[in-house]
Amino acid sequence: DAGITQSPRHKVTETGTPVTLRCHQTENHRYMYWYRQDPGHGLRLIHYSYGVKDTDKGEVSDGYSVSRSKTEDFLLTLESATSSQTSVYFCAIRDGLAGNLQETQYFGPGTRLLVL
Amino acid sequence: SQQGEEDPQALSIQEGENATMNCSYKTSINNLQWYRQNSGRGLVHLILIRSNEREKHSGRLRVTLDTSKKSSSLLITASRAADTASYFCATDAPLNTDKLIFGTGTRLQVFP
Repeated sequence: DAGITQSPRHKVTETGTPVTLRCHQTENHRYMYWYRQDPGHGLRLIHYSYGVKDTDKGEVSDGYSVSRSKTEDFLLTLESATSSQTSVYFCAIRDGLAGNLQETQYFGPGTRLLVL
Repeated sequence: SQQGEEDPQALSIQEGENATMNCSYKTSINNLQWYRQNSGRGLVHLILIRSNEREKHSGRLRVTLDTSKKSSSLLITASRAADTASYFCATDAPLNTDKLIFGTGTRLQVFP
């Protein structure tokens, strides 16, 4: 899966607790993305990063924060989890350099999060 | 809001038949991509078509793009049971080509 791992793969937590999901890549790609996938909504972008310490919001960023202190890791934090954040979370990476594959995103295996 | 909307939401066919999925989007784009997702897995890139292209082929996949109608179609020929998956179109976001906007997907079931 293009050198992308996500941890944990499954998590159950309680409302109000903080949760951090990790995405790790070995491809040295510049761009990293966090999406959530819910039935009837497809994939929606939460946040993305275009370099170390450079991040920007997606369409569903409320309640989430991210950090990227090094190229290979992109962390997604739910400061105080709510039941509406129960979802499957996917990380993706993109090279972004010139060439035919610069727009292609490569996805991790996903993290299933259940907030009770 | 979603940029791409796929049609149909679900499609069931027999092995050997062709499967056609459609995607409509709202704003001008630089390119459109199709991804496949097997159950419980991450998305896998299938093909990209640029706004100045009308048709593209990759193996059993044929993608068309009609920018005047803001629509694209994905044709899978001679389908196999292994093609069973969800298929998503994705377009670059208006004013920010670093981001993709995904449609809601078509769930394809191919029966042996």
